[in-house]
Amino acid sequence: AQSVAQPEDQVNVAEGNPLTVKCTYSVSGNPYLFWYVQYPNRGLQFLLKYITGDNLVKGSYGFEAEFNKSQTSFHLKKPSALVSDSALYFCAVSSDNYGQNFVFGPGTRLSVLP
Amino acid sequence: NAGVMQNPRHLVRRRGQEARLRCSPMKGHSHVYWYRQLPEEGLKFMVYLQKENIIDESGMPKERFSAEFPKEGPSILRIQQVVRGDSAAYFCASSPPGTGGHGYTFGSGTRLTVV
Repeated sequence: AQSVAQPEDQVNVAEGNPLTVKCTYSVSGNPYLFWYVQYPNRGLQFLLKYITGDNLVKGSYGFEAEFNKSQTSFHLKKPSALVSDSALYFCAVSSDNYGQNFVFGPGTRLSVLP
Repeated sequence: NAGVMQNPRHLVRRRGQEARLRCSPMKGHSHVYWYRQLPEEGLKFMVYLQKENIIDESGMPKERFSAEFPKEGPSILRIQQVVRGDSAAYFCASSPPGTGGHGYTFGSGTRLTVV
């Protein structure tokens, strides 16, 4: 069975500093990995995905994520955090690209302090 | 606690028919979200509802799609006069009021196929 862990409930970072939101996964076969963001009173928004190819994936709003197969991780990163990045971030994994076996992590709340 | 229940798991409709997708949130959850996943894309937000209210429907197509979350019973996503492009997996999520993150639970999805 697939699973996703986001080991941190909350991440606090000062504006302008780099940020990392951690995600590890377990899946049989090749993983399809996703990051989503949720702003208050809004639905999830897609940030980026890894299907195949380069391990470093670039996405929306300056975010990127690094796929590490040996560590089964897909950490979300940004070189310089903005206060407007404060939101909930969800990592997700699927064993296919069609959503039949989509599993989301529990979410990590990111607070960027001015 | 049975989690977020979506049914049917698979739904086949002919072009022009109506599709009704149901979502029963977790016990104690009063917020429901619907998402659509198309091949080669991630989940796309459609609508956010609370009991008897639509909070954010910015992701809903302007025509043929509607959603409700009545005081009693499941949330319903309704697609009228379905077309082939509506074929996708539709996911529902629920959360209790005042939380997110760890209160956010997804259902297993309904796969709609339009033939």
